[in-house]
Amino acid sequence: KAGVTQTPRYLIKTRGQQVTLSCSPISGHRSVSWYQQTPGQGLQFLFEYFSETQRNKGNFPGRFSGRQFSNSRSEMNVSTLELGDSALYLCASSLRGTGYTSYNSPLHFGNGTRLTVT
Amino acid sequence: GESVGLHLPTLSVQEGDNSIINCAYSNSASDYFIWYKQESGKGPQFIIDIRSNMDKRQGQRVTVLLNKTVKHLSLQIAATQPGDSAVYFCAEKGGNTGKLIFGQGTTLQVKP
Repeated sequence: KAGVTQTPRYLIKTRGQQVTLSCSPISGHRSVSWYQQTPGQGLQFLFEYFSETQRNKGNFPGRFSGRQFSNSRSEMNVSTLELGDSALYLCASSLRGTGYTSYNSPLHFGNGTRLTVT
Repeated sequence: GESVGLHLPTLSVQEGDNSIINCAYSNSASDYFIWYKQESGKGPQFIIDIRSNMDKRQGQRVTVLLNKTVKHLSLQIAATQPGDSAVYFCAEKGGNTGKLIFGQGTTLQVKP
């Protein structure tokens, strides 16, 4: 079974631009979560989608948005990029979603998109 | 506020020895815990998880121990191998929230 796939692997953007990252979950998984990873802040939760609905949101500004399609694939968008948005963006999928008891339905991560803002 | 902390940022062990990575959590309502391993250039890889109604769970060469009294979680790796070198993260999920809260990570270095 293929794992979580994220594209692209690397991105370089300049301040003020916007960017869209893509994630394909494991087949059959309906929940997709997004995390930002930086050396200083570690792994920070962005949002979670389940059946095309945003179920939970982290403490990030409105410049960060996402959506999920009917095939469970998800995209994340960051508008008006800032230098501080440089990070590894990780997508993770699970069978039932982390809002429920996740025993035997853990989060599986992709290898991330490395975004550099100059 | 919620936090998941790791006691040591770096752990260095000899190949073949057992490793113990510790984690403290602050939310007594957390009902699910999970350990991940992250190698350079990759995303976190699931190792093992445990629910709050258990105090021990074993996998292949790994054991997770949960002590709810002191809000402590540990990951034990038996017969540590060079391939175990990575950053290890613990994470907790509290109740019905949809997010995992991750610790800062412990780097495990395995010396040959």
